[in-house]
Amino acid sequence: GDSVTQMEGPVTLSEEAFLTINCTYTATGYPSLFWYVQYPGEGLQLLLKATKADDKGSNKGFEATYRKETTSFHLEKGSVQVSDSAVYFCALSENTDKLIFGTGTRLQVFP
Amino acid sequence: EAQVTQNPRYLITVTGKKLTVTCSQNMNHEYMSWYRQDPGLGLRQIYYSMNVEVTDKGDVPEGYKVSRKEKRNFPLILESPSPNQTSLYFCASSASPRGGRITGELFFGEGSRLTVL
Repeated sequence: GDSVTQMEGPVTLSEEAFLTINCTYTATGYPSLFWYVQYPGEGLQLLLKATKADDKGSNKGFEATYRKETTSFHLEKGSVQVSDSAVYFCALSENTDKLIFGTGTRLQVFP
Repeated sequence: EAQVTQNPRYLITVTGKKLTVTCSQNMNHEYMSWYRQDPGLGLRQIYYSMNVEVTDKGDVPEGYKVSRKEKRNFPLILESPSPNQTSLYFCASSASPRGGRITGELFFGEGSRLTVL
């Protein structure tokens, strides 16, 4: 069945460092792809999404490109801030009336 | 303000004592869903509802019940809680999926942390 694999965390960075969180997926067709962010003590919030191959989702300085050839949707940000510290979830939706989530990657940014 | 509201936010209970976690949304969404979040497992869907009186099992429905009598409310019922149901629970809502696929944003509540002793 469909699945999402994320790199294990925590990812620890200094402020202004470059961020990459890897996400790969398995799906039978062409899923919609999402990144959600969970700040401490809160629910998940949509960060960005892409619905077809080669689409780039972007928001708040974060970007991810839907790569069908490598079945990937890696999250990137050029310069992280302390306020970006959170857990990031990659997810997909394909013909199942639900989102399938990865296990989450914790990001810790230090000043 | 658009929101999904869950109650209670925290609960400690004992094995076998029935409990209900309420969920309410004010966005007139047709689709609602319950997830549980466990370390190393991410979020797994328990039940979902496409509209009033329409509910369906997700990936981990055992030990849970739901109902959808009104569009805005989607309570999660644990008839006889057990320690393996200790978890962080999230309710979420969205506009109706199209073609069996969620294409828009899923709005989440703040979570309900449940401990079953």
